Amino acid sequence: NAGVTQTPKFQVLKTGQSMTLQCAQDMNHNSMYWYRQDPGMGLRLIYYSASEGTTDKGEVPNGYNVSRLNKREFSLRLESAAPSQTSVYFCASSDGAGGRYNEQFFGPGTRLTVL
Amino acid sequence: QQPVQSPQAVILREGEDAVINCSSSKALYSVHWYRQKHGEAPVFLMILLKGGEQKGHEKISASFNEKKQQSSLYLTASQLSYSGTYFCGTVKTGANNLFFGTGTRLTVIP
Repeated sequence: NAGVTQTPKFQVLKTGQSMTLQCAQDMNHNSMYWYRQDPGMGLRLIYYSASEGTTDKGEVPNGYNVSRLNKREFSLRLESAAPSQTSVYFCASSDGAGGRYNEQFFGPGTRLTVL
Repeated sequence: QQPVQSPQAVILREGEDAVINCSSSKALYSVHWYRQKHGEAPVFLMILLKGGEQKGHEKISASFNEKKQQSSLYLTASQLSYSGTYFCGTVKTGANNLFFGTGTRLTVIP
């Protein structure tokens, strides 16, 4: 099993460009999450999906959109990238509906720089 | 809603013990602990649930004081492999999502 995979691993964008970060899991998990990690800030939840077909905002959703394409895949889109979105983005998944009592499995991360 | 972790950083020699603390101002349903090594993804260590249930690795020890909304992670007889940043995540009562603290950087030296 690959676990949680993310593409791309690295990306450099210019201000105003758009891009989609891809995430897939092969553990048959119901819930999937997108976090961003900035130095000294810990992990902050952007969006999550408690089940196929549903998505909800997390702590820092502004500037992002998500799509739960099917049970396996959960993508994060930046419509018009800004330098403040320079960060490391982690996708995660967990069993059950939501993360209150289940272990989350994290992908390797995408390092995004917006110039 | 972000929990507060202490200390921010700690340096240990192999074999020494350490305690990492996590506190919240909200009534909590669960506390989660993760470890992240530099350049890698966070890895699950333990979940402590309201009511006393715990899920996680047998070699990891932690406590959850429900009255004080505090949790502590106990690292005993530290090894070089324990080095990394430890994050606590909290889920408040009635909610479904984790809010992570800013982390505690642990360095174990020979």
